[in-house]
Amino acid sequence: DAGITQSPRHKVTETGTPVTLRCHQTENHRYMYWYRQDPGHGLRLIHYSYGVKDTDKGEVSDGYSVSRSKTEDFLLTLESATSSQTSVYFCAISGRGAESGYTEAFFGQGTRLTVV
Amino acid sequence: ELKVEQNPLFLSMQEGKNYTIYCNYSTTSDRLYWYRQDPGKSLESLFVLLSNGAVKQEGRLMASLDTKARLSTLHITAAVHDLSATYFCAVDESGGSNYKLTFGKGTLLTVNP
Repeated sequence: DAGITQSPRHKVTETGTPVTLRCHQTENHRYMYWYRQDPGHGLRLIHYSYGVKDTDKGEVSDGYSVSRSKTEDFLLTLESATSSQTSVYFCAISGRGAESGYTEAFFGQGTRLTVV
Repeated sequence: ELKVEQNPLFLSMQEGKNYTIYCNYSTTSDRLYWYRQDPGKSLESLFVLLSNGAVKQEGRLMASLDTKARLSTLHITAAVHDLSATYFCAVDESGGSNYKLTFGKGTLLTVNP
């Protein structure tokens, strides 16, 4: 299994509070991603990183920010949590593969976030 | 904006039957991936398809890619209950130095005895 650890695994928070989710990898992969998964929507990309301090927005980035100060850690912050951000959040990583430029994305175990 | 459409979204089938899940996408790409997700679990990589005409097989599952038609298929042969899961296709829309995947909404497969 790819070395990806998400923390926390479960969190309940109140509306309006800031929340930070952490993704830690031991694979030294260049790319890291945050997705959210909601019924009927599949997985939607929030933000991704293509190197230390290099990040870009995905399709559902409003209300979220990210930081990557070192290769192994990618943080997702909900600046002021809302009920619409109740979801399961997945971190993923990808790096150089033998066959092509990059490997497929490998996923962490997910964080279930509930905003009440 | 890249669109990735899977169909069907829900599939209920009997053990022993064959079926195909389709994945259409809206932009030029020659890298497509299939994932499996069991309830309450993470996503597991099934297949990596990296060129037009690529075909990969693992057990009762076979995936193929037609980049000209912008279509990938996941074929299930003689389904068994253990194949019940949600299957996602994902397309790499980068074509360049930045690499990110856009996912379809998934196909919930239920295999009944």
